[in-house]
Amino acid sequence: DIVMTQSPDSLAVSLGERATINCKSSQSVLYSSNNKNYLAWYQQKPGQPPKLLIYWASTRESGVPDRFSGSGSGTDFTLTISSLQAEDVAVYYCQQYYSPQYSFGQGTKLEIK
Amino acid sequence: QVQLVESGGGVVQPGRSLRLSCAASGFTFSSYAMHWVRQAPGKGLEWVAVISYNGSHTYYANSVKGRFTISRDNSKNTLYLQLSSLRGEDTAVYYCASKGDGSGTIRYWGQGTLVTVSS
Repeated sequence: DIVMTQSPDSLAVSLGERATINCKSSQSVLYSSNNKNYLAWYQQKPGQPPKLLIYWASTRESGVPDRFSGSGSGTDFTLTISSLQAEDVAVYYCQQYYSPQYSFGQGTKLEIK
Repeated sequence: QVQLVESGGGVVQPGRSLRLSCAASGFTFSSYAMHWVRQAPGKGLEWVAVISYNGSHTYYANSVKGRFTISRDNSKNTLYLQLSSLRGEDTAVYYCASKGDGSGTIRYWGQGTLVTVSS
């Protein structure tokens, strides 16, 4: 099984500042035949299902603000929010889909400082 | 637009069984793999199971393997999850979810149905 580990578990950032969340997989999620990283990022607000933000590690979902970006390859990935807005308060999850048995990180709770 | 509506949740005693359903609309259900993902109260997301577009392949999380069964009826555009030998740690909101074109992973989610395992 592929284990996903996020850091930190929680994060407080001032409005307008940068927020960075890290995700590490226990094995590479880079598929060599197509050079794609099978890694996604989701945002979840209280009482709502998760929302897809980023897939293939760095492709932004349609409608997602460009302040959200994803980077990384292999086993180490980062979600960056360039300028934190109040509506970005949420829990963020990374997820691998390299294996048929998907797995999520434990989540990072993002708050306003 | 894509709609996924779960039903069948409720309170059930430990050791008993329950079947969840997910009614899908707004897309060609029979063309897509479907997933169940759960979330215990105040906890993170846990992937549960997936079934291929035609039902020929299924995969499960180790925590539910041998106790849960995922299935689908493409004629009814409906996904199922049979939960058996339920335990307290199975208490969670269960989400039905589907892939989206091009993303390779889950794009669409239902609102979830709550299963509470308690005596």
